[in-house]
This record gives sequence, structure tokens and C-alpha cells, in this order.
Amino acid sequence: DAGVTQSPTHLIKTRGQQVTLRCSPKSGHDTVSWYQQALGQGPQFIFQYYEEEERQRGNFPDRFSGHQFPNYSSELNVNALLLGDSALYLCASSTLDLAGAVDEQFFGPGTRLTVL
Amino acid sequence: SQQGEEDPQALSIQEGENATMNCSYKTSINNLQWYRQNSGRGLVHLILIRSNEREKHSGRLRVTLDTSKKSSSLLITASRAADTASYFCATDETGGFKTIFGAGTRLFVKA
Repeated sequence: DAGVTQSPTHLIKTRGQQVTLRCSPKSGHDTVSWYQQALGQGPQFIFQYYEEEERQRGNFPDRFSGHQFPNYSSELNVNALLLGDSALYLCASSTLDLAGAVDEQFFGPGTRLTVL
Repeated sequence: SQQGEEDPQALSIQEGENATMNCSYKTSINNLQWYRQNSGRGLVHLILIRSNEREKHSGRLRVTLDTSKKSSSLLITASRAADTASYFCATDETGGFKTIFGAGTRLFVKA
């Protein structure tokens, strides 16, 4: 089992550009969540996907969008990049418990995005 | 805004000592999770404790949850240099579907 994989590992973009980050969940997981982690801070929840739909969204602008595919893999898209978007972007996969809350989340290694 | 708040922000101990980190949160939760992160890499899940549980153990880790005080603690016994990392608590709010992380505790274990 490869666990959660993310691509690319590192990415450098300039302001105004668009970026797409990819995530493959752990085998057997159907829920994918995305987080942004600035240096020295805790991860900030961006959104969560389940059954190919956005289930919950954090306090991020519409420039941040996502998608989940039938095989449960997911993409995070960020448009009109700003310098402040520079961060480590983490993907986590999980299943849901009977109450609909996420079970144990498994994180990928992250994509480090630098916006110049 | 972040719901979980870890205390202390940083902790430095000698190898073999115990390390205790605390987490406070603001709303009702379904569960609380503790994670470890080494040098800005991906997070590693340590323990999940549900709102109807009070204590869980995993190896050298012990987690407690007090829902009346909206707080949790993570105890690492007999610490090792390899335990040096940042530790985060994260909560899943009741009625919501997002996981909220705190700012973390930076633990440094001196050999």
C-alpha cells in the first residue's frame, strides 16, 4: 500500500498564475481533505471531498477550488496566485465513521508551493 | 480561526523524561486527534479519541480527553531524541465536517 501520494513535491510559480496539485488517497479511503500550512503554523482546512462533492469548505476564497474523481483521487486548483499562497499543501485521506465524522486521517508528504 | 490551542508552544526536555502537551478547544466535537510532524513534512497520525472516551493508550503515548473542560493532553513517556518534532491536536466539530488544527507544540528532546 503506497499510502497517500501527492504530486508534485515542489512547485514554483509567479503571481497571477494558476496551479493544480494532485492527491491519490490511501487504498480503501473515500474521503479527501486539503490543508494549507504556512511556515511555523498548523494546517488550515481548505475543503473536504466525499462522493465527488465538496462536503465542507474552510475560510478560503473562491480562487481555491477542487475536484474528486470516481477513483477518489483529488485535485486542488488555485487561480490568480498571490505571494501569500506560498505554503505547504497537504492532502489527507480517510473514511467516515457512522456519525459522518472523519476517522483517522492519513496525510501525504505535501506539495511545497512557492509564489514569486 | 483555529479552534485547537496547544500549550506549551515549545518544550525542551532530556531523553528519558516525560513530555506533556495540552490542547484546548472551543466547541462540541466528534473526536480529537493528535499528530506529529517532522521538519515540515507530512503529518503522522498518533491517536484518535472520540468524544465518549476519556483516555487512550498507544505504546509510549497516553491521551486524555475532558469534554467538560474542552481540553486534551498528550503524554509521551520515556522520550527519545527521535520524538523531536511538532505535535498538533485537531478536532472534528459536531455537526460540521472540517478538521481544525492548533498551532502546535514544538518538542525538542536532548540526547
